Amino acid sequence: GAGVSQSPSNKVTEKGKDVELRCDPISGHTALYWYRQRLGQGLEFLIYFQGNSAPDKSGLPSDRFSAERTGESVSTLTIQRTQQEDSAVYLCASSLVAGGQEQFFGPGTRLTVL
Amino acid sequence: GENVEQHPSTLSVQEGDSAVIKCTYSDSASNYFPWYKQELGKRPQLIIDIRSNVGEKKDQRIAVTLNKTAKHFSLHITETQPEDSAVYFCAAGDGKTSYDKVIFGPGTSLSVIP
Repeated sequence: GAGVSQSPSNKVTEKGKDVELRCDPISGHTALYWYRQRLGQGLEFLIYFQGNSAPDKSGLPSDRFSAERTGESVSTLTIQRTQQEDSAVYLCASSLVAGGQEQFFGPGTRLTVL
Repeated sequence: GENVEQHPSTLSVQEGDSAVIKCTYSDSASNYFPWYKQELGKRPQLIIDIRSNVGEKKDQRIAVTLNKTAKHFSLHITETQPEDSAVYFCAAGDGKTSYDKVIFGPGTSLSVIP
């Protein structure tokens, strides 16, 4: 079946512009996560959605970052007024239900801020 | 919140030797500990996980051990092969949210020398 998909695969933008990244989770997966991975670094948690519960936004690095999810479907991560330090791969993952379930990762969006 | 440390950051072994990666976590309420493998340029994938009600779990050449008292867990790979070369991430489930979310360690880059 279809896995987690993300778009665009690559995004180059100028400093100060806003960008929107999209994630399509596996159908039926109620949990969705966003991570940031800088070159050669680990997986930095950004935000977590679980069903209709309030999202866990504890990992968002600044108020320039926001994310939305409609029900149990598509999620978008928005970065406003991008900075060069925002350059990274942004990974989305989904899992079937809450409670220690395998996360299935998307291919990521590579963001480059010039 | 949860904090996960991982050692070593890089590891080189000869093909056929064993590799051990160790992680420590801070939140004693964490109860889910997955390990993910990320090959170069690819997305992370779950290779094995363990829950706090067991001390050890094995899957072919891979095993994970958990010491809840000391708050550490380890990944053991035996008879390493070149295709084991990758970055390995440990993670611990955030007990405050009933392990709906996991926090990842910084990763270990494993190189298996043929």
